[in-house]
Amino acid sequence: GDSVTQMEGPVTLSEEAFLTINCTYTATGYPSLFWYVQYPGEGLQLLLKATKADDKGSNKGFEATYRKETTSFHLEKGSVQVSDSAVYFCARFNQGGKLIFGQGTELSVKP
Amino acid sequence: EPEVTQTPSHQVTQMGQEVILRCVPISNHLYFYWYRQILGQKVEFLVSFYNNEISEKSEIFDDQFSVERPDGSNFTLKIRSTKLEDSAMYFCASSMRGAVNEQFFGPGTRLTVL
Repeated sequence: GDSVTQMEGPVTLSEEAFLTINCTYTATGYPSLFWYVQYPGEGLQLLLKATKADDKGSNKGFEATYRKETTSFHLEKGSVQVSDSAVYFCARFNQGGKLIFGQGTELSVKP
Repeated sequence: EPEVTQTPSHQVTQMGQEVILRCVPISNHLYFYWYRQILGQKVEFLVSFYNNEISEKSEIFDDQFSVERPDGSNFTLKIRSTKLEDSAMYFCASSMRGAVNEQFFGPGTRLTVL
């Protein structure tokens, strides 16, 4: 079935380091792709999205490019901050209205 | 900014008891969803709901589960006879008509079944 796979966490970085969180998806059709973020004690918030191949989603310094050839949607940020510490979820949209999530990657940024 | 709210934030119940988890979606949204996340595992889709009926449900959503929109604002998930394995964080989400891709999530209800 359709699935999303993320790199395992936790990821620990120093402030201002470069972040990459890998995400790949199964290639049934051309689904919309998303990154959600969950800050401690809060719900899931949409971080960015891309709806077709080669689209780049961006928000709050984070970016991800929809790569059809590698079925990937890796999340990147050039310089992370302590406030970026959270769990990040990659997801794909399926017809019928459901989101299929990856397992989540915990990011911890140290000052 | 409008947001999805959920109550209670934490529910503790005994195995075999019925629980009702409540959600208030964003007011002009027409599509509603429940997801759950067992500790340390993926967020999993349970059910989607539109126009007062279930649009799609996962294999997790068996006869023990039901959803309802009892009035113009609430959206509820009922588990009739809870099992230990129902312990999880339950997230409600909603989306606007014509923009079903962008789902807005509530903060979740942590259900603990003893």
